[in-house]
Amino acid sequence: GQSLEQPSEVTAVEGAIVQINCTYQTSGFYGLSWYQQHDGGAPTFLSYNALDGLEETGRFSSFLSRSDSYGYLLLQELQMKDSASYFCARLTRDYKLSFGAGTTVTVRA
Amino acid sequence: DAEITQSPRHKITETGRQVTLACHQTWNHNNMFWYRQDLGHGLRLIHYSYGVQDTNKGEVSDGYSVSRSNTEDLPLTLESAASSQTSVYFCASSEGQRETQYFGPGTRLLVL
Repeated sequence: GQSLEQPSEVTAVEGAIVQINCTYQTSGFYGLSWYQQHDGGAPTFLSYNALDGLEETGRFSSFLSRSDSYGYLLLQELQMKDSASYFCARLTRDYKLSFGAGTTVTVRA
Repeated sequence: DAEITQSPRHKITETGRQVTLACHQTWNHNNMFWYRQDLGHGLRLIHYSYGVQDTNKGEVSDGYSVSRSNTEDLPLTLESAASSQTSVYFCASSEGQRETQYFGPGTRLLVL
């Protein structure tokens, strides 16, 4: 079953900020990754947090709080090309990834 | 440029047939993974390998098998295809920073 929970859909306008939350099971937890997938395409790696705090990569940032079993992906200055599905993925100590069901982000003009 | 490829990209087969999906990577990565993606389930791990001759079962391995005879390839075999195996299949590889997996373009499989 799912060991991560994230919202199924988010809609926002161009230029806005979107935060996608992810809660996870702690058993065997090593770190939290984020992947982007455009319709019909392959998932691509966005960001990774092993320690508490914020990781910034351009317009995208990812945050982790291990004590709260919680993380989020922050998308800033939204662009139409950011319309996609975003997956949080739990990396376990045996280096396997378990994916959430994904959040579909729709950017409106 | 290094890459990961999958073939075929689309496949239609009949229930009960054996099907093999190919995955080939040129990064020389030791770690390779097979996932299936269905609506509402995200990506679910089928099998994975951490090196030649190493294979391991993932969370949804029933009805699937893999073999790893070299670093570059991890073929996925459906022993007797079932309609429940209609899905999109992704292969991925990783090395070093294992949190970064590189995905192939996917294979869309329809079992009739």
